[in-house]
Amino acid sequence: DGGITQSPKYLFRKEGQNVTLSCEQNLNHDAMYWYRQDPGQGLRLIYYSQIVNDFQKGDIAEGYSVSREKKESFPLTVTSAQKNPTAFYLCASSMSIYGYTFGSGTRLTVV
Amino acid sequence: AQSVTQLDSHVSVSEGTPVLLRCNYSSSYSPSLFWYVQHPNKGLQLLLKYTSAATLVKGINGFEAEFKKSETSFHLTKPSAHMSDAAEYFCVVSDDSGGGADGLTFGKGTHLIIQP
Repeated sequence: DGGITQSPKYLFRKEGQNVTLSCEQNLNHDAMYWYRQDPGQGLRLIYYSQIVNDFQKGDIAEGYSVSREKKESFPLTVTSAQKNPTAFYLCASSMSIYGYTFGSGTRLTVV
Repeated sequence: AQSVTQLDSHVSVSEGTPVLLRCNYSSSYSPSLFWYVQHPNKGLQLLLKYTSAATLVKGINGFEAEFKKSETSFHLTKPSAHMSDAAEYFCVVSDDSGGGADGLTFGKGTHLIIQP
């Protein structure tokens, strides 16, 4: 079955470390997105990519980086510059302007 | 376990007429409920959220939703549709007050079409 796989489900990071969250899809979707959710808030867009080798910043891109070398993969790196990285991270993809598919999310905790 | 059912995959209304997007949910806990909108080529935007306060929730752009526990529903309404409302709408349930640990479940989306 097609879908989006996010890994790991839970991730712990020491302060000052970079960490990479994985997002893989086998839906042949062109567009992929990364969102962050904090308690009591809605999802906020970090980065998105409409095609391979191209991506744009979302509303809260500072302290994050992404790459889109393959259509299937859109990894998100949380860098040490991100001041408050503890959050729930959600990856999504879409074929066209409509029709999202969501991953199951990764909970990142700084220890 | 929790689930979300958006009852209509497409809804078409005329500009200036009311909008109703239907959402039913199931949850083992007291849920938090959200409606998001996605406009073409943009990311998700939060319209409104219910987190066990007032059952009638007012959101942005004139939208509102009413939490009805007895009917397990959280339908989204707007009195008068505008052309700019044409988009995809998602109903989302969370069982941990919106903290988003493992608890986000998305509906499949409703495509709202506005006829001139």
